[in-house]
Amino acid sequence: EAQVTQNPRYLITVTGKKLTVTCSQNMNHEYMSWYRQDPGLGLRQIYYSMNVEVTDKGDVPEGYKVSRKEKRNFPLILESPSPNQTSLYFCASRQPFYNSPLHFGNGTRLTVT
Amino acid sequence: AQTVTQSQPEMSVQEAETVTLSCTYDTSESDYYLFWYKQPPSRQMILVIRQEAYKQQNATENRFSVNFQKAAKSFSLKISDSQLGDAAMYFCAYRSARKDSNYQLIWGAGTKLIIKP
Repeated sequence: EAQVTQNPRYLITVTGKKLTVTCSQNMNHEYMSWYRQDPGLGLRQIYYSMNVEVTDKGDVPEGYKVSRKEKRNFPLILESPSPNQTSLYFCASRQPFYNSPLHFGNGTRLTVT
Repeated sequence: AQTVTQSQPEMSVQEAETVTLSCTYDTSESDYYLFWYKQPPSRQMILVIRQEAYKQQNATENRFSVNFQKAAKSFSLKISDSQLGDAAMYFCAYRSARKDSNYQLIWGAGTKLIIKP
């Protein structure tokens, strides 16, 4: 089944404790992206990747890191999480074409205390 | 820069009736793509319908249809015969056709749709 797999689904952590949210897709998509969703703000892009070893900042990259060492995986790293990073996070992927729809993972609810 | 506005934070409709969710956008471009995504309580983001700006005919997917008014920069979603399973957050999104945009999506803030049984 074609899908974007994101783990974990829920994560509670404390300020400053490094964490990684994994994302993997099995559709051979070149493009992958991370979003955060907050009430009243819709989805805001954190980072995106056009292909292996090619990443770029989105609208809200501060406090996040990503890497794209292989095509299928695009982990999101929070080196020193803070409470303002408490949010719902989505990974997504698509083909690199203008009319390609985004395929989303099931989201990760992160709480930083 | 392009923006997308969903002016209705919340809407409610009686089951089996029709509801229209509004979306307006601001752009100076002539070629672009518009999307509606649905997010039920399960959190999954599901593509509902999409429309290419150069197509005059409004897109339709079963009970879901759009009213695309290019001059007015409006892209509303009409849900006919509303069902309980339609209860969700609905997001409108814009994508430029320009290659230098990397085809990024610009999102509205969302409209929460409540279905009354």
